[in-house]
Amino acid sequence: EPEVTQTPSHQVTQMGQEVILRCVPISNHLYFYWYRQILGQKVEFLVSFYNNEISEKSEIFDDQFSVERPDGSNFTLKIRSTKLEDSAMYFCAGISYNEQFFGPGTRLTVL
Amino acid sequence: QKEVEQDPGPLSVPEGAIVSLNCTYSNSAFQYFMWYRQYSRKGPELLMYTYSSGNKEDGRFTAQVDKSSKYISLFIRDSQPSDSATYLCAMHAQGGSEKLVFGKGTKLTVNP
Repeated sequence: EPEVTQTPSHQVTQMGQEVILRCVPISNHLYFYWYRQILGQKVEFLVSFYNNEISEKSEIFDDQFSVERPDGSNFTLKIRSTKLEDSAMYFCAGISYNEQFFGPGTRLTVL
Repeated sequence: QKEVEQDPGPLSVPEGAIVSLNCTYSNSAFQYFMWYRQYSRKGPELLMYTYSSGNKEDGRFTAQVDKSSKYISLFIRDSQPSDSATYLCAMHAQGGSEKLVFGKGTKLTVNP
């Protein structure tokens, strides 16, 4: 059964550095999403992406964040200048027939 | 009022017990309701998906949606130690980007 994959599984970075989180969605998914989960808190929507453009974004998704689908398979989330409060698990998801399937996540630690 | 409320627990039951997990919500536009299971530091795994009101059964799991009360439930029969995890409810409205709004999750431990 195809799965959503994410790399890296864990990323440690210094405050102010740029990070790129990568996802390979399942090929027949049309909508792609990024969510994040700060330790001990609920999963929060960041952004949805459809037809190579952002369809909706949350208040969290400010100018420091961007998403891309650079080559038709990978789906990336870039954080330009990381802050301590960006430390969280970041999940990529894809949707098929109203069901959203999540990747295993990237744990981002900002020092 | 929070959009989706879920008792975080923790909930501890003996093996074989029936487990009931619940969420309430405030947004009447929600039409699609899901239950995910999440192990520590892992991605949410889709367990059950229900559209609008009614029941859905899959093996030991039953999902119920009562839209009139804005209340959803997940029942686990004959619970096993392997069911120990955090259970997240999530939901979205029809149309738009179908972004999910999650509850905080209920941590369940099934003791052998």
